Amino acid sequence: QQQVKQSPQSLIVQKGGISIINCAYENTAFDYFPWYQQFPGKGPALLIAIRPDVSEKKEGRFTISFNKSAKQFSLHIMDSQPGDSATYFCAAGKTGGGNKLTFGTGTQLKVEL
Amino acid sequence: KAGVTQTPRYLIKTRGQQVTLSCSPISGHRSVSWYQQTPGQGLQFLFEYFSETQRNKGNFPGRFSGRQFSNSRSEMNVSTLELGDSALYLCASSSEQGARGYTFGSGTRLTVV
Repeated sequence: QQQVKQSPQSLIVQKGGISIINCAYENTAFDYFPWYQQFPGKGPALLIAIRPDVSEKKEGRFTISFNKSAKQFSLHIMDSQPGDSATYFCAAGKTGGGNKLTFGTGTQLKVEL
Repeated sequence: KAGVTQTPRYLIKTRGQQVTLSCSPISGHRSVSWYQQTPGQGLQFLFEYFSETQRNKGNFPGRFSGRQFSNSRSEMNVSTLELGDSALYLCASSSEQGARGYTFGSGTRLTVV
């Protein structure tokens, strides 16, 4: 059972544009929603995370928008750069669930010059 | 501060063999989680160890097992290897309970032939 659905599977954005990746979850017990960035040959690295008590969190060019009623959250990358080209994963976890995250299937982002 | 170290980086095994992968967490981190990453399934949770005890287990067959030592280093073992076990195996460590502050290693690429 896929509990976190991520779209799109791949995305091409022009340099300076906005990249948007969407995720939807099913389990209302989830209370921690991180995004990870993965470059080829490397493990995923935590980019930004949000709790459901806020609707938006911004760190530099990266923003998470969270809609609790719709059970959806999204990552916005402003002023996208070629160096942002990577695979992005959304994930969800819950307090009391130990250190277990349920991941989306990933989005391959390519930022073109 | 050293990151999460996984050894070996690459491994080629034959069907039916067994394999042991190693993970050294960040110093002071007591939680170690393992994930299997494949192109089709994304990141799938295998299990988590905290203070030498398995705290969570994913939906993998009993051929997949793990353990954690008193120094928090962890190993995972896969017995009777199948072609479908070919994947990138990722280890993540955390100092906290509840999936915050996950740091991933670069993974072990296992190929079963």
